[in-house]
Amino acid sequence: AQSVSQHNHHVILSEAASLELGCNYSYGGTVNLFWYVQYPGQHLQLLLKYFSGDPLVKGIKGFEAEFIKSKFSFNLRKPSVQWSDTAEYFCAVSGGGSARQLTFGSGTQLTVLP
Amino acid sequence: SQTIHQWPATLVQPVGSPLSLECTVEGTSNPNLYWYRQAAGRGLQLLFYSVGIGQISSEVPQNLSASRPQDRQFILSSKKLLLSDSGFYLCAWSRQNYGYTFGSGTRLTVV
Repeated sequence: AQSVSQHNHHVILSEAASLELGCNYSYGGTVNLFWYVQYPGQHLQLLLKYFSGDPLVKGIKGFEAEFIKSKFSFNLRKPSVQWSDTAEYFCAVSGGGSARQLTFGSGTQLTVLP
Repeated sequence: SQTIHQWPATLVQPVGSPLSLECTVEGTSNPNLYWYRQAAGRGLQLLFYSVGIGQISSEVPQNLSASRPQDRQFILSSKKLLLSDSGFYLCAWSRQNYGYTFGSGTRLTVV
């Protein structure tokens, strides 16, 4: 079975600071990897996804993530955060099989101080 | 374009009452459908998924059940709600080589 670990439960940064949120997964086969964001009072939105190809994936709003297969990691980064990035961030993985169900990490709450 | 509808947005139900949450998808056919729950302070937990009409797989034993009476309709039910059923319920769909699209969610409070 697949599993996802997000090591940071709550991260507090000042505006313009750099961000890196950790995500490690456990799965023996080919995986698809995702980062989702949930802004306060809103529904989940896809930030970026990795299916194959270039392991450095660029998403919306200046976010990027790097898939490092040897480390089973898919860390999310942003060079300079803004107050509007305050949200909860979820890493997710889907493995093979017809159902391709997503397994989510427990989430990281990011608070950006103005 | 594909859209996903989930209702109601919020629901307050007494303990022991039944539950029915509905999710419908438009603009695609034969999607995989999912019900997730997000409990307070926890991540998203997959409850049920379906790869076709009448095909339901349960990930977590619990007080809930799911049904898929039509290709693009997914229903989450309970005969008797428990306090622990409170949470944020999300429906989602996916197809091969697509990402996942989530509904706007239902905030369920069992009192």
